Amino acid sequence: DSGVTQTPKHLITATGQRVTLRCSPRSGDLSVYWYQQSLDQGLQFLIQYYNGEERAKGNILERFSAQQFPDLHSELNLSSLELGDSALYFCASSPWAADEKLFFGSGTQLSVL
Amino acid sequence: SQQGEEDPQALSIQEGENATMNCSYKTSINNLQWYRQNSGRGLVHLILIRSNEREKHSGRLRVTLDTSKKSSSLLITASRAADTASYFCATDAWNSGGGADRLTFGKGTHLIIQP
Repeated sequence: DSGVTQTPKHLITATGQRVTLRCSPRSGDLSVYWYQQSLDQGLQFLIQYYNGEERAKGNILERFSAQQFPDLHSELNLSSLELGDSALYFCASSPWAADEKLFFGSGTQLSVL
Repeated sequence: SQQGEEDPQALSIQEGENATMNCSYKTSINNLQWYRQNSGRGLVHLILIRSNEREKHSGRLRVTLDTSKKSSSLLITASRAADTASYFCATDAWNSGGGADRLTFGKGTHLIIQP
């Protein structure tokens, strides 16, 4: 058990809908990272938050947004969903920065039908 | 974009044999990490090697790093069926404020250990 909790584990929704994925980092970790994993694109970095502030952005679509709350849990919001958004979404955490090891949650499998 | 590229994409060996996976990357790094992913599950950190290190061991794992060639290798000795998984190398990218703000992963090597 990595100590990172992601909910829900599975999500099935329709095109055009909006969903929220939730992540609770390991106790004491200030950094949260979101990744998207698909068969064709591999593991893509989306965004990082550190202690409530956005620190880095990767290949995150404008339809996607995220935030980190004062209690350090994070949410990834995906809107106007398309078939191509179907993927495994991972949250990871680390105490400070990405040059330390990351602890990954078990992921949310999103299926857009 | 992928920073690391693992090779081979897939590898199938007999239990007890050694498995070697390679990773090449494009830009300068501070650290390189290897992760393992069992089917459909979260990634698990295996080992971190710093740019000033050439070799590191952890149990049955041996990692080498050649910064002049921008490459790394992961060796798993005396493989077991439970080692069946995908293995990813990950490199860090530092921002102007100091500290790495992300890890960039390759597409992984899928390792199958035949019992």
